[in-house]
Amino acid sequence: NAGVTQTPKFQVLKTGQSMTLQCAQDMNHEYMSWYRQDPGMGLRLIHYSVGAGITDQGEVPNGYNVSRSTTEDFPLRLLSAAPSQTSVYFCASRQHRGAGETQYFGPGTRLLVL
Amino acid sequence: DQQVKQNSPSLSVQEGRISILNCDYTNSMFDYFLWYKKYPAEGPTFLISISSIKDKNEDGRFTVFLNKSAKHLSLHIVPSQPGDSAVYFCAASAGTGTASKLTFGTGTRLQVTL
Repeated sequence: NAGVTQTPKFQVLKTGQSMTLQCAQDMNHEYMSWYRQDPGMGLRLIHYSVGAGITDQGEVPNGYNVSRSTTEDFPLRLLSAAPSQTSVYFCASRQHRGAGETQYFGPGTRLLVL
Repeated sequence: DQQVKQNSPSLSVQEGRISILNCDYTNSMFDYFLWYKKYPAEGPTFLISISSIKDKNEDGRFTVFLNKSAKHLSLHIVPSQPGDSAVYFCAASAGTGTASKLTFGTGTRLQVTL
């Protein structure tokens, strides 16, 4: 099992550009989520999905879109990048919907918006 | 409003000694708590968890203590090893059911010195 994979590892964008951060898991997990990590802020939940076709907003959803067409993939889209979206982004998955299940994180995507 | 707080950004401990990492929370609805460990350029990995019906959970060198009346939990690492040097995040959730979400603290960087 590859676990949770994320691409790209690092990306530089100009303000206003769009891009998609890819996330895939091969563990057949129902629950997937996106976090951003900023200095002094910990990890904050952006969006999450409890299964294919179902997504919902987390704590900081503005400026981001998600979709879940398959169990395996959960891409995060930035429609018009802003410098405030400079951050490290982590995708995570867990088998069931409960927080008691161990959540597995990908290695992260470091995004710089100029 | 930070609902999960880790007030010590960093901690340095000698190899072989005990490391104690602290976490406070404000939301009385939180009833499940987790600790994650993060190495540089990697995603967080699950370390240990505790339900609010317990006050202690042990796994090898790692023990988590929960004091519900004080809304405080701590992670003890005994004995500390150089490989324990990492950032440790405390996380909490209100319920372990459908779509329960984790709220993370800001992290404590532990350095274990020789």
